Amino acid sequence: GAGVSQSPSNKVTEKGKDVELRCDPISGHTALYWYRQSLGQGLEFLIYFQGNSAPDKSGLPSDRFSAERTGGSVSTLTIQRTQQEDSAVYLCASTAQETQYFGPGTRLLVL
Amino acid sequence: KQEVTQIPAALSVPEGENLVLNCSFTDSAIYNLQWFRQDPGKGLTSLLLIQSSQREQTSGRLNASLDKSSGRSTLYIAASQPGDSATYLCAVKYLSGTYKYIFGTGTRLKVLA
Repeated sequence: GAGVSQSPSNKVTEKGKDVELRCDPISGHTALYWYRQSLGQGLEFLIYFQGNSAPDKSGLPSDRFSAERTGGSVSTLTIQRTQQEDSAVYLCASTAQETQYFGPGTRLLVL
Repeated sequence: KQEVTQIPAALSVPEGENLVLNCSFTDSAIYNLQWFRQDPGKGLTSLLLIQSSQREQTSGRLNASLDKSSGRSTLYIAASQPGDSATYLCAVKYLSGTYKYIFGTGTRLKVLA
């Protein structure tokens, strides 16, 4: 069956521009995570969605980062006024019974 | 501070060897622990999930153990193959009221043919 998909796969942007990253989870998965993986670093938790509950935003690094999940399915991570330190791979995962299924990631480069 | 540490950072072994990857965590109050593999340029693939109440999980040539009292988990790979070459990550969900996982920085494994 279809796995988690993310788009775009690569994004190059200029400093100061806004970007939107999309995640399509596996159908029926109610929980969704966003992570950031910087070069040589581990995965950094950003935000967690579970059903209709309020999201856990405790990992968002600044107020330039926001995310939403519409209809309990597709999620969008938005980064406003991008900075060079935002360059990283952004991964999302949906879960079934605690097992996380990851998408291939979006590689973001801020010039 | 809740942390996850993986040792070694990199490992190179000849094909056929049995090997052990280590994961340490700082707080024994965990909900579960997961092992993943990550191939270059790709997302993560879940290998094994160990609930807090379990001591080990097995899948094929992989066996993961959990010792909460010592804050350790090990991933045992039997009869390693070149296709096992990847970065192996462990992640811990703590019983701290949040849903986030804390990831280690991984062990980069290379199995030589």
